[in-house]
Amino acid sequence: NAGVTQTPKFRVLKTGQSMTLLCAQDMNHEYMYWYRQDPGMGLRLIHYSVGEGTTAKGEVPDGYNVSRLKKQNFLLGLESAAPSQTSVYFCASSSPRGAIPYEQYFGPGTRLTVT
Amino acid sequence: AQSVSQHNHHVILSEAASLELGCNYSYGGTVNLFWYVQYPGQHLQLLLKYFSGDPLVKGIKGFEAEFIKSKFSFNLRKPSVQWSDTAEYFCAVNAGNYGGATNKLIFGTGTLLAVQP
Repeated sequence: NAGVTQTPKFRVLKTGQSMTLLCAQDMNHEYMYWYRQDPGMGLRLIHYSVGEGTTAKGEVPDGYNVSRLKKQNFLLGLESAAPSQTSVYFCASSSPRGAIPYEQYFGPGTRLTVT
Repeated sequence: AQSVSQHNHHVILSEAASLELGCNYSYGGTVNLFWYVQYPGQHLQLLLKYFSGDPLVKGIKGFEAEFIKSKFSFNLRKPSVQWSDTAEYFCAVNAGNYGGATNKLIFGTGTLLAVQP
């Protein structure tokens, strides 16, 4: 099992450009999450999904959109990148619905710089 | 709103010293608690977790944590640190109504541990 994978690993954008980050998991997990990690602020939840075709806002959703068209994939989009979105983005997935809430499994991260 | 506090932002220790990292949360109901570690340049990995039962939880690499409900705390400990323990440590809580069926986690701001050889 590859676990949780993220593409790309690094990206530099100019202000106003758009891009999509891809997260894929092969553990048949129902739940998937996108976080951003900034120095001194820990991880903050951007959006999450509790199943294929469903998404919901997290703590810091502004400026981001997501889609979960397939159970194994969770896409994070930046429509018009801003320097404030310079961050490291982590995707995570978690256990199937109805089970004991297990830990989240994290991907390797995407380092995004917006100039 | 629920929150998680990690009071030690940056800790520097010598090898073989003992470690204790503090974690406090604000929620009065049932909680599930986690400690994650992030080694330099790597993704987050689970160190240990508490769901129920024995409040003293043992994890990987010699780490343990104690859940003290009356203090709303879940402190991480290791008797003797090694240089390879240099990493950032995050406490996280899956708290009742907030976590619920979505299993959302609230993370602390992290503690950066540097172990000097």
